[in-house]
Formats: sequence, structure tokens, C-alpha cells
Amino acid sequence: KQEVTQIPAALSVPEGENLVLNCSFTDSAIYNLQWFRQDPGKGLTSLLLIQSSQREQTSGRLNASLDKSSGRSTLYIAASQPGDSATYLCAATETSGSRLTFGEGTQLTVNP
Amino acid sequence: DAGVIQSPRHEVTEMGQEVTLRCKPISGHDYLFWYRQTMMRGLELLIYFNNNVPIDDSGMPEDRFSAKMPNASFSTLKIQPSEPRDSAVYFCASSLATSQTWMEQFFGPGTRLTVL
Repeated sequence: KQEVTQIPAALSVPEGENLVLNCSFTDSAIYNLQWFRQDPGKGLTSLLLIQSSQREQTSGRLNASLDKSSGRSTLYIAASQPGDSATYLCAATETSGSRLTFGEGTQLTVNP
Repeated sequence: DAGVIQSPRHEVTEMGQEVTLRCKPISGHDYLFWYRQTMMRGLELLIYFNNNVPIDDSGMPEDRFSAKMPNASFSTLKIQPSEPRDSAVYFCASSLATSQTWMEQFFGPGTRLTVL
């Protein structure tokens, strides 16, 4: 059974800092890996999706990497802003391409 | 497209009552997923459909939970009878299986259920 772990559980940084969120998964046979953002009381917003054959994906100030052999993914946020404050979740998709297993999330606070 | 639509956004009910949650997926998507989010257990997949057919319901906690997808644009999750431990946020998500989309899942805003 796939297990996904995110470290740290919470992170507080000053505005402008670059930061890295970590995600690890136990079963490397994944279809893809997705990073989501969740604001308090809201649904999940998809940020980046990395296919199993890819190493990284970029969108604006966000960069996600994937290392299947080590069972790790990282989300890099450049020049953080207070608006980036949210909970970030990673999810590994099983090889059938359907079932997502979520990590517990990292709660990020960017202080002005 | 309006995205995934869920209703109601909030539901407060008393123990023993029947609860029905509704979801309209993104038009054209062929997969629909129901998730539950709690502080204790995080996000859990309850059931998912492909082309309106239930594929995996192994996450449904017990027989009190049932889900249907009568057509490509509508799904329901029913709890009968409801219990206080069912209190959670229930999310619906949809995706389209093509080589370009790689099964990216899009989530609705959720239904916050409180069972008293």
C-alpha cells in the first residue's frame, strides 16, 4: 500500500525567502505525482503535475522535481510572498492512473 | 467551464438522518472521485467512477455509505443513517484520461458536513 509523507508539517518563513517542501512515497511505481494547494476552508487547487517519465515541472515561481528511484519529490517556491500562505499537499497516483494517495500536507506561513 | 460543482456547501444534520451530497464534474471528464477529509485521517479516497461505472469502492467506510453516478454530469454520495463520526469535508474531483492530461484531478470546493 502506498504511503506518502510530507516534511515539515509546518513552516514559517519571512517574505522573499526561497523554500523547499518535501514529499516522499514508499512505492515508486507511480503514474504521476501532483502538488496541490489548499487554502483554509477551501478545496484543492492543482499546482503542478509531474509525469512518471519526467524529472521536473515549472510554473512561474514554482518548481517541482521527481526522483522515482528514491521515492521523493520536492516543491521549490522562489521569492515567497504572503499570498503563498496555505497548506501544500502532494499526492502520488498509482499506476492505473486513477487512485491518489495524499500526504498530510505542509502548512506554510509567509510573514510580511 | 465552471469547474467541479458541489452542493450543498454546508450541511448540518442530526444523527440518524439521511444525507445526500451532490457533484457535477467538469464537462467531458470521464473519471469522478469522492474524497473525505478529516483532521485525524487527512484526505481519503472513498470511491471512484469511470464512464459512470463504479471502479473501486474499497474506501467506502461501511454500508451506510453509497454512491451513484446515473449520468456523466451528476453523482451523489449518500449517508444513511448519518453518525457524528461522519462529520468531515467531502470533496468531489474529476479528471480526463488522455496522454496530454495525465489524469490531473480537479477538485470541487467541498461540502462541510456536521452531524450532531
